[in-house]
Amino acid sequence: GAVVSQHPSWVICKSGTSVKIECRSLDFQATTMFWYRQFPKQSLMLMATSNEGSKATYEQGVEKDKFLINHASLTLSTLTVTSAHPEDSSFYICSATNDGYNEQFFGPGTRLTVL
Amino acid sequence: DAKTTQPTSMDCAEGRAANLPCNHSTISGNEYVYWYRQIHSQGPQYIIHGLKNNETNEMASLIITEDRKSSTLILPHATLRDTAVYYCIVSPLEYGNKLVFGAGTILRVKS
Repeated sequence: GAVVSQHPSWVICKSGTSVKIECRSLDFQATTMFWYRQFPKQSLMLMATSNEGSKATYEQGVEKDKFLINHASLTLSTLTVTSAHPEDSSFYICSATNDGYNEQFFGPGTRLTVL
Repeated sequence: DAKTTQPTSMDCAEGRAANLPCNHSTISGNEYVYWYRQIHSQGPQYIIHGLKNNETNEMASLIITEDRKSSTLILPHATLRDTAVYYCIVSPLEYGNKLVFGAGTILRVKS
């Protein structure tokens, strides 16, 4: 299957700072990427859908000004958590796909801890 | 909200077949049944999907009932590395459609 990477794999930051998470499709062009968040012992919750070159579509309840998504190329999408607070601590996972695939390919996830 | 219902957890002996059920009684005609799994602290992994015919690949088999209201994922010879949370999801086939994850089934394979 296609490979998706995320960087960093884990990050610890102070409250009030911003953190950028990268999601890359390594061996295919991802016209669509998704960002999920997963709290401990819970399932994945979709945050937003981004199509290359377009503004992201956010799910209800997700603040677009707090979670900035940029999908500027066919192999890279970034999620920036602005002014992070302890309640933003979570496991952030991206997935990618294009019209040649019937499934989504997921990255390994990024563990964010906000102190 | 997820449109599927799965048991919270299941145990399976190593080497035996693991049969994971899923109910999707409100599935629409254009929706496929997808199965993903998530091993602890990793991203989900695609397993298999189908519309109405049974499907098999190198990882698993998918059996969908004739009325499409339920399905079963079969891991023919479970190993310890198959211990994971298994998610059954219904979604249209078109790429770009979002996946709505439910709680899934925690499968524990025991030696």
